[in-house]
Amino acid sequence: GENVEQHPSTLSVQEGDSAVIKCTYSDSASNYFPWYKQELGKGPQLIIDIRSNVGEKKDQRIAVTLNKTAKHFSLHITETQPEDSAVYFCAAGTGTASKLTFGTGTRLQVTL
Amino acid sequence: GAVVSQHPSWVICKSGTSVKIECRSLDFQATTMFWYRQFPKQSLMLMATSNEGSKATYEQGVEKDKFLINHASLTLSTLTVTSAHPEDSSFYICSARDSGRAGGTQYFGPGTRLTVL
Repeated sequence: GENVEQHPSTLSVQEGDSAVIKCTYSDSASNYFPWYKQELGKGPQLIIDIRSNVGEKKDQRIAVTLNKTAKHFSLHITETQPEDSAVYFCAAGTGTASKLTFGTGTRLQVTL
Repeated sequence: GAVVSQHPSWVICKSGTSVKIECRSLDFQATTMFWYRQFPKQSLMLMATSNEGSKATYEQGVEKDKFLINHASLTLSTLTVTSAHPEDSSFYICSARDSGRAGGTQYFGPGTRLTVL
């Protein structure tokens, strides 16, 4: 089955700096890669996703890059703000009704 | 758009009782819903895939007789934890796949915290 590794497990950045979270996956058939943000006591919120026919996608301060050859994808957050502090999960899936395999999560702390 | 609700948001029950959790897609139809379990400071663990009008598919190691899933309509799936025990205490989260969108995008509910005394 699919295996998703995520690094780092914790990340502390100063407000205004950039944050990068990296994930690798094992199943070359995976073609859908979403990123979720989870605040304490809440469900995960989809923040951006990318499909295997695209190498990069951007939405305001958030961007995701995908390297299919190396089987890794990354989340980039620029100009971080305190409200970006949360746990971020990457995931990988296959097909249109696929289940997702989640990474282990990254706790991002944005300090003033 | 793409809102998923869960009810209740939290529940406390006595050991041996059964608890039902509802998951609803509010503004889209979902032929497929997923149920996850999350322990503190850990990732999401998929328990089962719920398909409208058919039996759920359970992940390895998940007891189907203990975690009963019913997906009776395109907007509602329920998870019933039967004869709950303290080790069943956890954060249960559902997600729904938007049938109207290609590619498998899943939207998550806010979660239900179950505490079994």
